Amino acid sequence: RKEVEQDPGPFNVPEGATVAFNCTYSNSASQSFFWYRQDCRKEPKLLMSVYSSGNEDGRFTAQLNRASQYISLLIRDSKLSDSATYLCVVNIRYGGSQGNLIFGKGTKLSVKP
Amino acid sequence: ETGVTQTPRHLVMGMTNKKSLKCEQHLGHNAMYWYKQSAKKPLELMFVYSLEERVENNSVPSRFSPECPNSSHLFLHLHTLQPEDSALYLCASSQEIRGTNYGYTFGSGTRLTVV
Repeated sequence: RKEVEQDPGPFNVPEGATVAFNCTYSNSASQSFFWYRQDCRKEPKLLMSVYSSGNEDGRFTAQLNRASQYISLLIRDSKLSDSATYLCVVNIRYGGSQGNLIFGKGTKLSVKP
Repeated sequence: ETGVTQTPRHLVMGMTNKKSLKCEQHLGHNAMYWYKQSAKKPLELMFVYSLEERVENNSVPSRFSPECPNSSHLFLHLHTLQPEDSALYLCASSQEIRGTNYGYTFGSGTRLTVV
């Protein structure tokens, strides 16, 4: 089983739509969670951290369910500029080692006019 | 300059060449990383340096050789690569405190093509 799994998409949605991405992780030692955004041929950039209580940043809402090992990202009122690949990322620390970020393959979103 | 800078942005090399990728971070971070991103695969962690010591080497072939001369610079030396090594190589840095990474930042990457 892959450490971080996401639906690869693509998700093709019209402007203004609400879209939700899901992600599952296999390692219960995962400590912190993030969504990154990667534009075509660019580096990944942090979109938001994900907290157990759920958190919101403008049109973006992230949720974490530790019991189910499940993370979600909701985008409301989607814009053309939201078109990108969204990467689910977990920080896993093994024993005394330094925690490292493990990336999912990403979910591609295409917002159409 | 700010953030994490990588050079060159693009590199084409033959299988018998030797080349090096360079990464420099201006964020005062204490950890640096090399990642590989191939088409249709997730980012793969290759090497981790924490306080200039290599703390992780994820079964990377010896034709990839990292070097971290100080906390701001990271190199990836390449020799006798294979065409399947063609990928985007990303450098990242973070401030690691007791196993938690803060301010994880990527460079723009080097797009490598092996011919």
